[in-house]
Amino acid sequence: DTGVSQDPRHKITKRGQNVTFRCDPISEHNRLYWYRQTLGQGPEFLTYFQNEAQLEKSRLLSDRFSAERPKGSFSTLEIQRTEQGDSAMYLCASSRGQSSYEQYFGPGTRLTVT
Amino acid sequence: KQEVTQIPAALSVPEGENLVLNCSFTDSAIYNLQWFRQDPGKGLTSLLLIQSSQREQTSGRLNASLDKSSGRSTLYIAASQPGDSATYLCAVARETGANSKLTFGKGITLSVRP
Repeated sequence: DTGVSQDPRHKITKRGQNVTFRCDPISEHNRLYWYRQTLGQGPEFLTYFQNEAQLEKSRLLSDRFSAERPKGSFSTLEIQRTEQGDSAMYLCASSRGQSSYEQYFGPGTRLTVT
Repeated sequence: KQEVTQIPAALSVPEGENLVLNCSFTDSAIYNLQWFRQDPGKGLTSLLLIQSSQREQTSGRLNASLDKSSGRSTLYIAASQPGDSATYLCAVARETGANSKLTFGKGITLSVRP
């Protein structure tokens, strides 16, 4: 049984650089979510896909952030011109599009901007 | 705007003790509530999901209850063990299933002393 996977697990980058993260959801799940978690806080919603359609974006997602899910399978989250305030754990979750909508999370990508 | 509160932020108990973790939310129009476990630096593991129409769910030594009208949930852990040490987060999904994004509390960090 393969759960949600994320790559890379850790990323250290210098301020101003662009970074891209990948999420592979559970195969039969058509819903995919991105969340961001900073130290001592609960995860905060960033954006949501149903199949390949991006249906909602949080105001936390500034214009430096872009997310895609081109074929309704894996998703990428890109941050352009990174800032130190972008340092956080980026979590991906997926769920079926019916019944309980239980969300299953990946291991996260830890981003450190120096 | 939905707000989820978990108090206290941290809890330390001796091994073997039964304990209750509390979660409260401000908007009772929820679709479901999930309890998660998070180990340091890791992703989230789903423990229990309670639909808004349910009162409780059980899994092994864990029991979660939901009182939707009063905006409260509890996670009961029986016979706690050192391996239960982790941060426990509760999260609620809003009532419209179209985007069941989760709103999280900050979590309760539990330490079980041998």
